[in-house]
Amino acid sequence: AQTVTQSQPEMSVQEAETVTLSCTYDTSESDYYLFWYKQPPSRQMILVIRQEAYKQQNATENRFSVNFQKAAKSFSLKISDSQLGDAAMYFCAYRSAFRAGNNRKLIWGLGTSLAVNP
Amino acid sequence: NAGVTQTPKFRVLKTGQSMTLLCAQDMNHEYMYWYRQDPGMGLRLIHYSVGEGTTAKGEVPDGYNVSRLKKQNFLLGLESAAPSQTSVYFCASHHRGTYEQYFGPGTRLTVT
Repeated sequence: AQTVTQSQPEMSVQEAETVTLSCTYDTSESDYYLFWYKQPPSRQMILVIRQEAYKQQNATENRFSVNFQKAAKSFSLKISDSQLGDAAMYFCAYRSAFRAGNNRKLIWGLGTSLAVNP
Repeated sequence: NAGVTQTPKFRVLKTGQSMTLLCAQDMNHEYMYWYRQDPGMGLRLIHYSVGEGTTAKGEVPDGYNVSRLKKQNFLLGLESAAPSQTSVYFCASHHRGTYEQYFGPGTRLTVT
């Protein structure tokens, strides 16, 4: 079974600085998708960025980028020029590319709480 | 375009009471999901649906039932609430063939 591990329960960063959140996963599959979701205090779960396993190029969305290391099964999130609004819980998630049954579900890490200090 | 909405946002139940949580999406998504989120345990899938009239069990289905009579709605029912069902419940949806799930704002349920 696939698992997702976020080893940093809490992180903090100074406003305008850069922070990297770690995520590792375990799978025997070769085709899958990885996601970072943000959950601010409002509770709304917001997709930050996604990465297809078959793509070697790391995904980027404005100030958010990932470092995807398929062989190491690592998927870290880098937030550049951190803003106060980035303070939230960040979840890493895995989804199989196979569509049958429970493969459709997202497998979640336990989250990293990010504080942004002014 | 409201996206994914959930009703109610908060609810307090006594043990043994029943209730239904409603999830509605206006994006014509085929797939819909119900998750629960508990501290220290992340999100866990309760039930899901791949289309109108079909439902399937996730990893923690016991104590819950679901129905998908209309494509845009996915209902989660608790027939006899227990304190262990105190949680935050999230609904999510997406189109067939895509993988990003769009989430509702959540329902905080407390069972006393």
